[in-house]
Amino acid sequence: GAVVSQHPSRVICKSGTSVKIECRSLDFQATTMFWYRQFPKQSLMLMATSNEGSKATYEQGVEKDKFLINHASLTLSTLTVTSAHPEDSSFYICSAGSTSGGAGEQYFGPGTRLTVT
Amino acid sequence: GNSVTQMEGPVTLSEEAFLTINCTYTATGYPSLFWYVQYPGEGLQLLLKATKADDKGSNKGFEATYRKETTSFHLEKGSVQVSDSAVYFCALSRASSGNTPLVFGKGTRLSVIA
Repeated sequence: GAVVSQHPSRVICKSGTSVKIECRSLDFQATTMFWYRQFPKQSLMLMATSNEGSKATYEQGVEKDKFLINHASLTLSTLTVTSAHPEDSSFYICSAGSTSGGAGEQYFGPGTRLTVT
Repeated sequence: GNSVTQMEGPVTLSEEAFLTINCTYTATGYPSLFWYVQYPGEGLQLLLKATKADDKGSNKGFEATYRKETTSFHLEKGSVQVSDSAVYFCALSRASSGNTPLVFGKGTRLSVIA
């Protein structure tokens, strides 16, 4: 089956620093990747849709200058949390849709837990 | 707009009990329907799916039937195990490929006790 990896799985950073999270589709090409944020015991909140070679589309209320998304290739999308603050601490999950997957399903990465101190 | 409503949790069951997690949806046309499972500290895994009315998705003893007349996709398992403890998300997609975001329900936490 399709596999999506994320790196790092956990990261702790100091307030004011930036953190980059990578999302890779390992055995398929993903023209579209999605970034979600999940608060404890809550559902996933879509942050942005990332299309290869073009600018990401952000959901309402998500600061595009704070959450920088780059999708430079068909297998890699990155999310950079700039000038992180404690309120950015969360579980970030990416997913990828395969154009050959059919039925609209997506494949999810294992998530990255970000803690900002 | 499109939306998914699933039963509030948490749900606590004894091992070998019967499980039902209700899910209903609102969408125009014929969406594809999914159940995803999230184990503690992990991302989401596709559990099962159905792409048209009366389809039954099944995997690992779990089943769900796409009911257009009741706009439902309830998840069932005849005999749960402790290892089934997780959060279950019902979701829909209007797209035929994976290039459109899924619409998720709020998730239902299941705890199975020995």
